Amino acid sequence: AQRVTQPEKLLSVFKGAPVELKCNYSYSGSPELFWYVQYSRQRLQLLLRHISRESIKGFTADLNKGETSFHLKKPFAQEEDSAMYYCALRSGATNKLIFGTGTLLAVQP
Amino acid sequence: SAVISQKPSRDICQRGTSLTIQCQVDSQVTMMFWYRQQPGQSLTLIATANQGSEATYESGFVIDKFPISRPNLTFSTLTVSNMSPEDSSIYLCSVGQGAREKLFFGSGTQLSVL
Repeated sequence: AQRVTQPEKLLSVFKGAPVELKCNYSYSGSPELFWYVQYSRQRLQLLLRHISRESIKGFTADLNKGETSFHLKKPFAQEEDSAMYYCALRSGATNKLIFGTGTLLAVQP
Repeated sequence: SAVISQKPSRDICQRGTSLTIQCQVDSQVTMMFWYRQQPGQSLTLIATANQGSEATYESGFVIDKFPISRPNLTFSTLTVSNMSPEDSSIYLCSVGQGAREKLFFGSGTQLSVL
């Protein structure tokens, strides 16, 4: 079964501290993984996807097929990073996304 | 990127009534999806809105409860029928230009059923 697991509902860190938001997935084929972010009172938006291997707002995520993980990392958290982060998986040739339950990142001053 | 207008942004409805949510996109898109986000939970795909044909529903969702229309490549509606308090949720429209392309989300409709 296809599934995305985000074990942490809430992650609280201090400004300047490293951040790692965990995401594990279950999928039999070659998955496409994404991180979406929702800032307060804003719509859900794409942060990054693994095929782009890009860094957005200082965030990176590496797909680890051996561990079936796609953890989101940032070396130094900023207060403006406080938001809800969702890991998502896209299967096959469709555009359907399967979302994790989300992690609320709270960056304290 | 696609600009998505979703209406209404919120509504409070009585049990047993129906609400139709509209999703308008500023450009033609191949794929349109409807998601539900129940309180404290993640986004769950309801259905894929297919232009010119019936929507494709995910397990646990049926056409009688969530009828969907997609008359053209820029517009879709989702109706939540015969509502109960369990239907209280955020409903989101999502669009994509093609398979394996980026998906964009509307701002959502927050529905409360009394």
